[in-house]
Amino acid sequence: DGGITQSPKYLFRKEGQNVTLSCEQNLNHDAMYWYRQDPGQGLRLIYYSQIVNDFQKGDIAEGYSVSREKKESFPLTVTSAQKNPTAFYLCASSPTGDKGIYGYTFGSGTRLTVV
Amino acid sequence: QKEVEQDPGPLSVPEGAIVSLNCTYSNSAFQYFMWYRQYSRKGPELLMYTYSSGNKEDGRFTAQVDKSSKYISLFIRDSQPSDSATYLCAMSSSASKIIFGSGTRLSIRP
Repeated sequence: DGGITQSPKYLFRKEGQNVTLSCEQNLNHDAMYWYRQDPGQGLRLIYYSQIVNDFQKGDIAEGYSVSREKKESFPLTVTSAQKNPTAFYLCASSPTGDKGIYGYTFGSGTRLTVV
Repeated sequence: QKEVEQDPGPLSVPEGAIVSLNCTYSNSAFQYFMWYRQYSRKGPELLMYTYSSGNKEDGRFTAQVDKSSKYISLFIRDSQPSDSATYLCAMSSSASKIIFGSGTRLSIRP
């Protein structure tokens, strides 16, 4: 079955640590996205990529970094510069173009907690 | 002012009731309108989508868009306990920038 796999499901980070969240898709989608979800704030875009080896900052990119070396993979690193990283992180993918607007597929998310 | 405003709820209704969920927006360039359903500890899944103004019906669900008022609605008829979830509206003027509402938490009481 095609889909998006996010791992791990739960992640705990100590102060000052970098952590990497994994996102893999087998839908053959060109575009991939990372969102952060906080209570009462909806989904906020962190980074997105529409093609391999290229990505753009979203609305809240500070303290995060990404790479897109393969079409299937779009890992997100939460760096120590992110002051409030505790949140639910969602990865999504879509076709590009107009089909992409209705074609978002989300992963099941990673809940990151700072301890 | 947020681009998309959505009442966070929670909204609790008895089984079988008609549910109305709403969002308002400020950007008149939005043309693509979507509703996502998100169960607890899961990612959102696309429930309904419409382009520009008008109504769209799919089973027990009806999506309405009123661009003149910048207002969209999702109606759920004959609500079921399995409809209990958070519902997020989303809208866009282009594929690279979808704006999500904050979500309304809905609970259907058996």
